[in-house]
Amino acid sequence: AQKITQTQPGMFVQEKEAVTLDCTYDTSDPSYGLFWYKQPSSGEMIFLIYQGSYDQQNATEGRYSLNFQKARKSANLVISASQLGDSAMYFCAMRVINTGTASKLTFGTGTRLQVTL
Amino acid sequence: DSGVTQTPKHLITATGQRVTLRCSPRSGDLSVYWYQQSLDQGLQFLIQYYNGEERAKGNILERFSAQQFPDLHSELNLSSLELGDSALYFCASSVSATGSGNTIYFGEGSWLTVV
Repeated sequence: AQKITQTQPGMFVQEKEAVTLDCTYDTSDPSYGLFWYKQPSSGEMIFLIYQGSYDQQNATEGRYSLNFQKARKSANLVISASQLGDSAMYFCAMRVINTGTASKLTFGTGTRLQVTL
Repeated sequence: DSGVTQTPKHLITATGQRVTLRCSPRSGDLSVYWYQQSLDQGLQFLIQYYNGEERAKGNILERFSAQQFPDLHSELNLSSLELGDSALYFCASSVSATGSGNTIYFGEGSWLTVV
């Protein structure tokens, strides 16, 4: 079974600063994908970034980057130059990549990020 | 805009009633997932369909059922509703069913309130 752990229930960051949201995962499967989603107070679930377990380089998408440390089983999200609009709940999720069976996303409990002036 | 469309966005209904939530996946996506998000349970996987067939089942109650139609849209039916069924229900879609590096995009969710 897969498990995602997000140990920071809440985080504060000042506008224009960088912030790291922690995520550790547990799986015995060698092939998997790691995702980060943003959920603003309006409720929608917005895809931010994806990292495959065999990807050689850390994923980046604009101000978002994923600090992937496979040996430590961690996939931390780094948000650079925080903006007020980044205030939201952030979820880390994992999906095992199988060739023959269906595969669902397993989510962590989330980290609520508050960006302050 | 993720390209995944869910209707209705908000729904208030009484206990014991039945509702249907509808989802249209992104163009080209064959796999549809349903998730329930409640305050006490977090994000729970309910069920997955791929090209019209059920592929995986999660913590879906027997009072709930779903299907995916030939045009790939999906419906989640919730019956004999209880107060505890109040939650945000998400539909998501992806190209494949098995992971293969494809990302999963979520709709805006359907807020269900049971009174």
